[in-house]
Amino acid sequence: KAGVTQTPRYLIKTRGQQVTLSCSPISGHRSVSWYQQTPGQGLQFLFEYFSETQRNKGNFPGRFSGRQFSNSRSEMNVSTLELGDSALYLCASSSWTGRQETQYFGPGTRLLVL
Amino acid sequence: AQSVTQLGSHVSVSEGALVLLRCNYSSSVPPYLFWYVQYPNQGLQLLLKYTTGATLVKGINGFEAEFKKSETSFHLTKPSAHMSDAAEYFCAVIIGSQGNLIFGKGTKLSVKP
Repeated sequence: KAGVTQTPRYLIKTRGQQVTLSCSPISGHRSVSWYQQTPGQGLQFLFEYFSETQRNKGNFPGRFSGRQFSNSRSEMNVSTLELGDSALYLCASSSWTGRQETQYFGPGTRLLVL
Repeated sequence: AQSVTQLGSHVSVSEGALVLLRCNYSSSVPPYLFWYVQYPNQGLQLLLKYTTGATLVKGINGFEAEFKKSETSFHLTKPSAHMSDAAEYFCAVIIGSQGNLIFGKGTKLSVKP
């Protein structure tokens, strides 16, 4: 079974530009969540999507948005990039068996904003 | 404001010794609680999760955590440390209607031979 795939793996952008990151979950997983990891702020939760609907949301400005498609693939968009958006962006997909959740993370997209 | 505190940014134990990583949260409502692990140069992994029900939660790789409401704690333990347990561990909590998952700063676990 293929794992969680994130594209691109590395990205360099300049301030003011926008960026779209993609996440393909494990086959059959309907939940996708996004996280930002930086040395200064640590791990922060962005949002979670389930069956194309945003289910949970972190405390990020509106420049950060996401969506999920009918095949469960998800995209995250950041508009008007700032230097502080440089980070590792992680995506995870989840499934449930009864009350047991299994969650798998992708390798991340490393974004550098210059 | 809700928060998560992990006591000790670095913890070092000997191989075979008890692992105890501390996590306290602040919340006025029952939380969902998580522990994650990030191995060196590898991705993040969910270790275990508490939602409701039994307060002692068993996770992968022999780890377990106990939710203690009176102490607002969710400490992670493993009876006997292995070299392969060396990693960074993150406690996290979901509090509130928006389902915001808040992470602690992380604890780096070192295991000495």
